[in-house]
Amino acid sequence: GENVEQHPSTLSVQEGDSAVIKCTYSDSASNYFPWYKQELGKRPQLIIDIRSNVGEKKDQRIAVTLNKTAKHFSLHITETQPEDSAVYFCAATGGTSYGKLTFGQGTILTVHP
Amino acid sequence: DSGVTQTPKHLITATGQRVTLRCSPRSGDLSVYWYQQSLDQGLQFLIQYYNGEERAKGNILERFSAQQFPDLHSELNLSSLELGDSALYFCASSGPGAGYGYTFGSGTRLTVV
Repeated sequence: GENVEQHPSTLSVQEGDSAVIKCTYSDSASNYFPWYKQELGKRPQLIIDIRSNVGEKKDQRIAVTLNKTAKHFSLHITETQPEDSAVYFCAATGGTSYGKLTFGQGTILTVHP
Repeated sequence: DSGVTQTPKHLITATGQRVTLRCSPRSGDLSVYWYQQSLDQGLQFLIQYYNGEERAKGNILERFSAQQFPDLHSELNLSSLELGDSALYFCASSGPGAGYGYTFGSGTRLTVV
């Protein structure tokens, strides 16, 4: 089955800096890669996603890049703000997974004012 | 409101007891997924249903069971509860097939005392 590794497990930045979270996946048949943000005690919420036919996608201050050859994808947050502080999860699905997402272990992002 | 409804929001029960968690998926979604999230832990996949049938099973304990009914709502039954079962239990739903992100419910916080 699919295996997703996520790094780093914790990330601390100053407000205004950029943050990058990286994930690798094992199943070359995976073709959909969403990112979720989870604030303390709340539900994970989809913030951006990318499909395997695209190399990069942007939405305001966040962007995701995908390298299919190397089987890794990354989340980039620019001009970080304190409200970006949360746990971020990457995920992958495709092939015979019937839509089931395999999640990374999560990254705790802390943005210091 | 995400469109995925989970009840109850909070549940406190004693060890050895049995509880039922309920989930109504977003309108039109056929897939339902259950996840367990313990304190400071990631999202542990329990089980997936698609249009009433079990599609995938994760590390779900034998004391746990689930089903999806004809109206597509799902129930997760947890029995012989132990202290270690205390966690947030999330339900998520998605569209048909692969390539769709999840919409998560707000979760049920289970506390076993």
